[in-house]
Parts: sequence; C-alpha cells; structure tokens
Amino acid sequence: QVQLVQSGAEVKKPGASVKVSCKASGYTFTGYYMHWVRQAPGQGLEWMGWINPNSGGTNYAQKFQGRVTMTRDTSISTAYMELSRLRSDDTAVYYCAREDSTSRGWYLAYWGQGTLVTVSS
Amino acid sequence: EIVLTQSPGTLSLSPGERATLSCRASQSVSSSYLAWYQQKPGQAPRLLIYGASSRATGIPDRFSGSGSGTDFTLTISRLEPEDFAVYYCQHLRTFGPGTKVDIK
Repeated sequence: QVQLVQSGAEVKKPGASVKVSCKASGYTFTGYYMHWVRQAPGQGLEWMGWINPNSGGTNYAQKFQGRVTMTRDTSISTAYMELSRLRSDDTAVYYCAREDSTSRGWYLAYWGQGTLVTVSS
Repeated sequence: EIVLTQSPGTLSLSPGERATLSCRASQSVSSSYLAWYQQKPGQAPRLLIYGASSRATGIPDRFSGSGSGTDFTLTISRLEPEDFAVYYCQHLRTFGPGTKVDIK
C-alpha cells in the first residue's frame, strides 16, 4: 500500500533553515510528482510546489521562490523540502502529497502525516 | 491566478441532514482538475472527490460532487457523526479557504 512517512517535528529560530523529508513506499517513487502543502495553525491549505522525482525538475509557488528548495534521493525513495530564512509566520504543518493524474482527473490522493515546524526565538 | 471561494464558511447541521457545500472559481476551470478533500483535526487531508464528480477509493456514496465551469458543489446526502470536519476544494495549485461542517 502507498505510504508517505515524514520526518519529525522541528523547532527553529528565525533566520534558520529547515529540511523536511518524505519517504515513499508501496509504489514506484519516480513515477509520480510529489507536492508540498503547508497549513498554518487554524488556517487553510497552502500549496508550495512540486518536484518530479524522475527528472528532479521543480515548480515553486511564487510566494516561496528563492526560499524553498525541493530535492529527492531516488536511491531511498525520499523527497525533501527545505525552507530557508525562516520567519515566525512559517510556523505550520508541512505535508507531502503524491500527485495522481488520470483520464478522469488530477488529484492528491496520498498524503504524509505532516511535520510541524515551529519558528520561535 | 484562479481564486476559489467556498461558502458557507461554517455549516451547522444535525446528523442525518443533507449538507450542500459550494466552491466557486474566479474564472472557468476544467472539471478534471477540481477535487474535494475532508480534513479532521490533527489529520492530513483526505481525498473525497476528483474530476469534480468521481468518488475516490473507499469514499461512501453519501458523498457526491457536481458542477462545471465556475460553480462546483459537494453534497453529503445524510450526515454521519464522522462527517463533521472541514472541507476544501482544490484546483491544481489553489485551495479554497474551506467550509467547516459542525454539529448543530
């Protein structure tokens, strides 16, 4: 069965960087784009970008351009999301989610459990 | 950039009642890229509907989606206790702000 298992909670100081991992299992890692979505406390879902695990190509939301880097390690079926120059408003739960695209639609069917990143001095 | 608006913000209903949630896009979008998710506190979102009207695997048939162009609807025919949650619509990289369905 498809599983996405993310790394544990992080506490960072403003200005620091955080790198969150998402280990995939149960499917061919390179066959599906991986997206990253975040959710600030009590707020809605915010799309951050995607990575093509096959080519390493990325597409980032304008808001995060220059601060986010998405990478992958195909040897261990793991995707990473690194966010730099952290601010207090980056405090959020960060999710990875696998993209599925079929003749009937496009969607994020499988999600990681989420990683809480807290930015505090 | 497309903006999704969901209404109402909160829907207060009793178990057994029908819930109708709206998602409106700022411009016409392809139904193929319209999805609905359910999220409960402390949990990741769960896919309910994709392609505007196709139920995801394992989703009960009391959930249905409809719509096209700029107006889409998620209907829960008879609310079960486990259906009280927040519901988000999504079009590609854009999520709506969510509708909370709570117990009246």
